[in-house]
Amino acid sequence: DGGITQSPKYLFRKEGQNVTLSCEQNLNHDAMYWYRQDPGQGLRLIYYSQIVNDFQKGDIAEGYSVSREKKESFPLTVTSAQKNPTAFYLCASSNPGAPVYEQYFGPGTRLTVT
Amino acid sequence: EDQVTQSPEALRLQEGESSSLNCSYTVSGLRGLFWYRQDPGKGPEFLFTLYSAGEEKEKERLKATLTKKESFLHITAPKPEDSATYLCAVQEVGGGADGLTFGKGTHLIIQP
Repeated sequence: DGGITQSPKYLFRKEGQNVTLSCEQNLNHDAMYWYRQDPGQGLRLIYYSQIVNDFQKGDIAEGYSVSREKKESFPLTVTSAQKNPTAFYLCASSNPGAPVYEQYFGPGTRLTVT
Repeated sequence: EDQVTQSPEALRLQEGESSSLNCSYTVSGLRGLFWYRQDPGKGPEFLFTLYSAGEEKEKERLKATLTKKESFLHITAPKPEDSATYLCAVQEVGGGADGLTFGKGTHLIIQP
């Protein structure tokens, strides 16, 4: 079955440590996205990538980094510079050149930093 | 100022009691408006895309409509399994691969 996988589902880290969240898709989508979700707030865009080896900052990119070495994969690193890293992180993908270009989401990773 | 505003923030209905959720938007040019359903601790599940005013789409007990300034998600004779948070998102013209702008969602509870 085609879809988006994120791992791990839950992640716990100490302050000051970098952590990398995995996102893989087998939908053959060109574009991939990372969003952050906090209670009482809408999803906010962190980074997105339209093609391999290219990515753009979203609205809240500070303290995060990404890479896009393969079409299927778009890992997100939460660095120690991110002041409030505890959140629910969602990865999505879409085919922006298609007639319909909905974004499809993975199951999410809940990151807790103490 | 928020570009996407959803109301109400929370809604509690009895099973079978129909109602509507609202999503108002202020983007200058709308490329698409999206509705998602999100269950607790899970990723959003895609429901509908609406492209132009007057468009309507249906899926089981849900019907989404679109005007030039807002969208409604109508829920007819809901069941407890319809309980979830419903998210609205928009994409502006020219934003082919850009991210979506989301509202904060409406938390819907259907009581048996």
